[in-house]
Amino acid sequence: DAGVTQSPTHLIKTRGQQVTLRCSPKSGHDTVSWYQQALGQGPQFIFQYYEEEERQRGNFPDRFSGHQFPNYSSELNVNALLLGDSALYLCASSWGQGIYEQYFGPGTRLTVT
Amino acid sequence: AQKVTQAQTEISVVEKEDVTLDCVYETRDTTYYLFWYKQPPSGELVFLIRRNSFDEQNEISGRYSWNFQKSTSSFNFTITASQVVDSAVYFCALSEAQGYSTLTFGKGTMLLVSP
Repeated sequence: DAGVTQSPTHLIKTRGQQVTLRCSPKSGHDTVSWYQQALGQGPQFIFQYYEEEERQRGNFPDRFSGHQFPNYSSELNVNALLLGDSALYLCASSWGQGIYEQYFGPGTRLTVT
Repeated sequence: AQKVTQAQTEISVVEKEDVTLDCVYETRDTTYYLFWYKQPPSGELVFLIRRNSFDEQNEISGRYSWNFQKSTSSFNFTITASQVVDSAVYFCALSEAQGYSTLTFGKGTMLLVSP
């Protein structure tokens, strides 16, 4: 039973560039959430996708956008990268509309120079 | 607005000591869920427990135990007879019933267990 997978593992980008991160949910899960974890901080919720729609969004600017595909996998896009976007980006999957535990992937470490 | 506070930034113990990690939360909802996650150096968050606001029974799982007290808005986590493999950052998190499983995390407590 494959868990949550994310790609790439590490990424280095320059200010102003755009980046796309990818996530495949755990088998049987249909909901994907994205979190940003700055160094020494707890993860912060970016947004959540369910049935290919953005269902909920945290306090992040429009530069952060996403997509969910029919197979439930998801992408996170960040435009016009800032130095402050450097962080570990975590994808989590869960099932349905209840409050169930979220299973996290290993994350993508993004460094913006 | 919901909030989770983990006042202990870092705790160092020697193997076999018991250690308690504190978590205090704030929410206006009467129905909510509390979680603990472990983040080892590899970075992946590992789910440990979920507890809903109507169940104040303490829970024990092996060397781990959790104490949920609604009266003090606390959900503390105790590791008995700590081991070096317990070294990690531990996060407490809160999800409100209307929040579609989205989590609000505390800043985490780094636990260092030395041999």
